[in-house]
Amino acid sequence: DAGITQSPRYKITETGRQVTLMCHQTWSHSYMFWYRQDLGHGLRLIYYSAAADITDKGEVPDGYVVSRSKTENFPLTLESATRSQTSVYFCASSELGQGGTDTQYFGPGTRLTVL
Amino acid sequence: QQQVKQSPQSLIVQKGGISIINCAYENTAFDYFPWYQQFPGKGPALLIAIRPDVSEKKEGRFTISFNKSAKQFSLHIMDSQPGDSATYFCAASTSGGSYIPTFGRGTSLIVHP
Repeated sequence: DAGITQSPRYKITETGRQVTLMCHQTWSHSYMFWYRQDLGHGLRLIYYSAAADITDKGEVPDGYVVSRSKTENFPLTLESATRSQTSVYFCASSELGQGGTDTQYFGPGTRLTVL
Repeated sequence: QQQVKQSPQSLIVQKGGISIINCAYENTAFDYFPWYQQFPGKGPALLIAIRPDVSEKKEGRFTISFNKSAKQFSLHIMDSQPGDSATYFCAASTSGGSYIPTFGRGTSLIVHP
């Protein structure tokens, strides 16, 4: 199926554990993003990637690690989960700056609970 | 520093009424202003967008009004319907810069039948 998918959709983990959230897009968009959504804070950018092997920090990168070895995948890893990382995580992709269309396409989200 | 300020945080409107959500920005280099709509349990999706060369853009019941001098833009939902109940995010980005959008904090809209 074309589009952007995230897995798992729901995850419960414990403090201190490592957890990886997966994101896959089929459009071959250059840009990919990770956001977290928390009540009262809206969407906050964690990391983004302009192309394979190019990543950069967003507004709230601490405690997260990303990689992008292939254009279509952009996994987000919490190396040692903390309760403050309980949130809903959204992956997005875009072809920013191409033909004037800067639309971001969001995945369905992963609800992560850290106990 | 919050570069895009969105208000109100929540909004309750009766069916058939007009919903108005406002956003203000500080960076004069912003030149793309989209609005995203998010239903519960879903990811945000582009609703409508405007560039500063026009002051208004209308798509069905949804209208963006843009005031460049005041550095403000707003979303108007005419004849609001219960199906419009969602969270709305404004955003802004620069075509000549990093292209990375800055989002407002969102407005939770409830339309009562």
